[in-house]
Amino acid sequence: QKEVEQDPGPLSVPEGAIVSLNCTYSNSAFQYFMWYRQYSRKGPELLMYTYSSGNKEDGRFTAQVDKSSKYISLFIRDSQPSDSATYLCAMSTPPTGNQFYFGTGTSLTVIP
Amino acid sequence: NAGVTQTPKFQVLKTGQSMTLQCAQDMNHEYMSWYRQDPGMGLRLIHYSVGAGITDQGEVPNGYNVSRSTTEDFPLRLLSAAPSQTSVYFCASSYSEGQGSLFFGSGTQLSVL
Repeated sequence: QKEVEQDPGPLSVPEGAIVSLNCTYSNSAFQYFMWYRQYSRKGPELLMYTYSSGNKEDGRFTAQVDKSSKYISLFIRDSQPSDSATYLCAMSTPPTGNQFYFGTGTSLTVIP
Repeated sequence: NAGVTQTPKFQVLKTGQSMTLQCAQDMNHEYMSWYRQDPGMGLRLIHYSVGAGITDQGEVPNGYNVSRSTTEDFPLRLLSAAPSQTSVYFCASSYSEGQGSLFFGSGTQLSVL
C-alpha cells in the first residue's frame, strides 16, 4: 500500500465550478500537509500548507485535514481556466522525518 | 531571490555517458533533495541532504551520486546513463528536514538514447 493515495483523474469542470481534490494516507505520524500546483513542463509550486488538523483558507482555495480519517482535501471555488494544472498532495512527519511523501497528482482542466 | 535554480533545462545523452545536473538555492535551506518524475509514478526521491557534508539515499538511488560541499549547491551525477533514467528531474529544498514546505526548481528534462 502506498503511503499516499490520490485519484489521478483527469478531472474536467466548467469555469466557475467548485472543485474538490482529495488524498488519503496511511501513516498517522504525518503532521505537515501540503498542496502543490504543477503546470505543464514546470516545477511544482506550493499552493497551501497546513499543520495538523483543521481548515485553512487562502482566497479561492481551502485546504482541509481530517487526521481521524487520514483524509485531506483541497477545494477551489469559482474555478478559472488558469487553474488548469496537476495538483499534488504531499505530507511529512516532524521533526526527524527526512522525506516528503507525495501523491501521484490529479490533472484538472477548467473549461471556459 | 532566485529560489532553486537547476541547469540544464534539457539534456540528451547516449547510453553510457555521464553528466551532472546542477542545483543551487539561495534561501539558506539546510535540506535539499532530488526527485525524478515519471508518468503514473509521481515524484520519487533519489537522494537528499540535511546539511553540508551529509547525504543519504532515497527511494530510487541506484545509478546516481550526490555530494554536498556547500549549503547552496547539491549536484546530481549520473554515472553511466541508461534509458531507464529518461525522466524529468527536480531539485527541491526546505528550511529543515521534515518541516516546512519544499521549494522546487523548474526541472531538467533528460532523455537517454
